[in-house]
Amino acid sequence: QVQLQESGPGVVKPSGTLSLTCVVSVGSISSSSWWSWVRQPPGKGLEWIGEIFPSGNTHYNPSLSSRVTVSLDRSKNQFSLKLTSVTAADTAVYYCATRSGFDPFDYWGQGTLVIVSS
Amino acid sequence: DIQMTQSPSSLSASVGDRVTITCRASQGIGNYLAWYQQKPGKVPQLLIYAASTLQSGVPSRFSGSGSGTDFTLTISSLQPEDVATYYCQKCSSGPLTFGGGTKVEIK
Repeated sequence: QVQLQESGPGVVKPSGTLSLTCVVSVGSISSSSWWSWVRQPPGKGLEWIGEIFPSGNTHYNPSLSSRVTVSLDRSKNQFSLKLTSVTAADTAVYYCATRSGFDPFDYWGQGTLVIVSS
Repeated sequence: DIQMTQSPSSLSASVGDRVTITCRASQGIGNYLAWYQQKPGKVPQLLIYAASTLQSGVPSRFSGSGSGTDFTLTISSLQPEDVATYYCQKCSSGPLTFGGGTKVEIK
């Protein structure tokens, strides 16, 4: 059983950088799992953002790849998301999630709402 | 990149009805397809993986089928607690694209 919890600012200014952290409170971030970020704009569907493997290998959504970085901190058992040059279109609930191999996401955080507004 | 298209985008059915949701991939993805259920204000929950394998704890009225490009999620007898939005997702290599979602309501 893996437990994930997102944290970060609830409001980010336009053109700024959105930074979120997901703490793995139960389980090890060094396990053979992909650690991912998914977002959901209000009233809209799910969008996969990107993921990282403990080796440091990353995959990103091509539509966001120029603005996204996912990183991992083994010492804190957490992973992070940075999204640069944000606009109102980046307003969403951001979820962290995890999967193994080609499996789907079996564990999710509770999600955190980030609003892009001045 | 592979696109995932769900239909319909919404449906309304009576309690006890059989409900079918379709997901189509723009290229073949084998059986690397998952279905999630998301109730209003809640976190998505995994229902089915590998196109047809029921996640532990999911009621048996849910079933999945298909391979390649065409997949189906079926609720054999719709219950009030099944009101939710359902998403498919490709789990093969490359971007982990979700379908647009199907909102299921009770008539």
